Amino acid sequence: GQNIDQPTEMTATEGAIVQINCTYQTSGFNGLFWYQQHAGEAPTFLSYNVLDGLEEKGRFSSFLSRSKGYSYLLLKELQMKDSASYLCAVSLPPLVFGKGTRLSVIA
Amino acid sequence: DTGVSQDPRHKITKRGQNVTFRCDPISEHNRLYWYRQTLGQGPEFLTYFQNEAQLEKSRLLSDRFSAERPKGSFSTLEIQRTEQGDSAMYLCASSLDGGGHEQYFGPGTRLTVT
Repeated sequence: GQNIDQPTEMTATEGAIVQINCTYQTSGFNGLFWYQQHAGEAPTFLSYNVLDGLEEKGRFSSFLSRSKGYSYLLLKELQMKDSASYLCAVSLPPLVFGKGTRLSVIA
Repeated sequence: DTGVSQDPRHKITKRGQNVTFRCDPISEHNRLYWYRQTLGQGPEFLTYFQNEAQLEKSRLLSDRFSAERPKGSFSTLEIQRTEQGDSAMYLCASSLDGGGHEQYFGPGTRLTVT
């Protein structure tokens, strides 16, 4: 199976940095995706890792370690609009998602 | 707008009725996926197509569910004899071929079974 675990909720302050962790157990996958989902909306793509290491895209970075079954999403310079759910997913394909981490950004 | 579209956006039906949803993918995408999402959960895979071929169906997909993509463009998802447990957001996504391409999601169809 592909158990994907993420924290259920996190709270962080505007302007700060937050790291959302994701651990998984899978027998094989093409890569690992991170999606953002605002309440009542569809998921939107944030980042993709196929090789171990860090991928940086503006305020968002994602890290993958296949040997450790671990990934994280790093959000810098948090803004109120970053309050959303963040979904970790392994691509077999199809995508197998975790339950998501609901991030609340407070002033 | 060249994104993924879904119709209808909302559907309320009575238990036991049949419902059909439509998804129009991004035109150059040959892969089309259906997912289901309930409150507080991540999207859950149902089935996917490459062009008109249905490549995989989730074990969670009961025989009341059927999906088609007859011409390799739009797709329909039908649920027969709906049950209250079918109430969820049904999401469609499309992508280019291969597992390394991001999937673009449509706005979803919210189904409520009363």
